[in-house]
Amino acid sequence: DTGVSQDPRHKITKRGQNVTFRCDPISEHNRLYWYRQTLGQGPEFLTYFQNEAQLEKSRLLSDRFSAERPKGSFSTLEIQRTEQGDSAMYLCASSLPNDRGRGTEAFFGQGTRLTVV
Amino acid sequence: AQKVTQAQTEISVVEKEDVTLDCVYETRDTTYYLFWYKQPPSGELVFLIRRNSFDEQNEISGRYSWNFQKSTSSFNFTITASQVVDSAVYFCALSEAQLNSNYQLIWGAGTKLIIKP
Repeated sequence: DTGVSQDPRHKITKRGQNVTFRCDPISEHNRLYWYRQTLGQGPEFLTYFQNEAQLEKSRLLSDRFSAERPKGSFSTLEIQRTEQGDSAMYLCASSLPNDRGRGTEAFFGQGTRLTVV
Repeated sequence: AQKVTQAQTEISVVEKEDVTLDCVYETRDTTYYLFWYKQPPSGELVFLIRRNSFDEQNEISGRYSWNFQKSTSSFNFTITASQVVDSAVYFCALSEAQLNSNYQLIWGAGTKLIIKP
């Protein structure tokens, strides 16, 4: 399978615990995105990497959230001191570079569904 | 500000009927991209189409067709002869297309399509 893969698919955690999710993008894609999606809503942008550099972070990404992409390949998203409001689907996507203004489609993983109890 | 509106929260039709999903967008950019994604119950967002703002030609792909009307800022999606497997949530999205853009997608809230056998 050469698509975007995310692990785990489901995570249930107690409030206050830390959680970490992993995303493996399509191998030749240098751009990687994290989104959060709550029930009945479209995805909300969280952060974006080009290779290993984190180039943009949404204001939605509080200081409890941190994302890394250390070698420009896989990425991790960590949430510290989880709150019930963090319960959502966390989606990862990857894409090729935006060459000369030509946008390219993002390919999404199946997401990690987080439930904070 | 950029915005995507999908006014239809849920549509239910009987198999083999044609159905149109509406998408209206707002942007000040002269160059932009519009997308449709499908999200089946499995959760993965599946890319369907990308359209750039300079190409207003309608597109047909099998039972799917898209009508891009810049004059009304709409990018509607029609499924002809719907099938049960078309049941999913469909999202319309918009992105900037500036050079070096971070390719952040602005999403509509989605339309849940139910195809009854």
